Amino acid sequence: SQTIHQWPATLVQPVGSPLSLECTVEGTSNPNLYWYRQAAGRGLQLLFYSVGIGQISSEVPQNLSASRPQDRQFILSSKKLLLSDSGFYLCAWSRKAGSYEQYFGPGTRLTVT
Amino acid sequence: AQSVAQPEDQVNVAEGNPLTVKCTYSVSGNPYLFWYVQYPNRGLQFLLKYITGDNLVKGSYGFEAEFNKSQTSFHLKKPSALVSDSALYFCAVRDIRGFKTIFGAGTRLFVKA
Repeated sequence: SQTIHQWPATLVQPVGSPLSLECTVEGTSNPNLYWYRQAAGRGLQLLFYSVGIGQISSEVPQNLSASRPQDRQFILSSKKLLLSDSGFYLCAWSRKAGSYEQYFGPGTRLTVT
Repeated sequence: AQSVAQPEDQVNVAEGNPLTVKCTYSVSGNPYLFWYVQYPNRGLQFLLKYITGDNLVKGSYGFEAEFNKSQTSFHLKKPSALVSDSALYFCAVRDIRGFKTIFGAGTRLFVKA
């Protein structure tokens, strides 16, 4: 069966510090991968998606970036965090064929102080 | 453009009563529709999907959804609500290119004992 991991679970960082959030998927190969941000426990904002190693599409211009150095690894980064980067970050994967339902990780709660 | 709307921010229901969480959609072509559930401080969990076939789709935890093409709706239902069903529910539609999923704003369900 497939599993998706995210770490860390919670993170408190000062403004201006760097960020690195990691997501890994097990039990599948060549998945589509996604980073979302959820503010105030409501709607999801798609930040990045990737259909393959080194292939990143950005949905929202911001000070965040994403990388996919390996097939099942997806990293969200920032060189300098802003207060507005606080939120709940979710990683998800889907298959490349079929109905494309997404499977989500447990999330990372980021607080920028 | 593909879109989904969840007209209710919150739905309140008594335990044991039937529940309905509403969703309407707008798509080009045949819709791929989904429901996801999010428990507090957790990632989203896939509940059910409609691709084709029977208009009544059954999913996890006793939930079902009714696809209505003429009303462009995909309402989530459960015959008898449980307190443990209290959560945030998202309706979603697959983007026509298949890479992305478009999520509704979410409906918070409260089930009172």
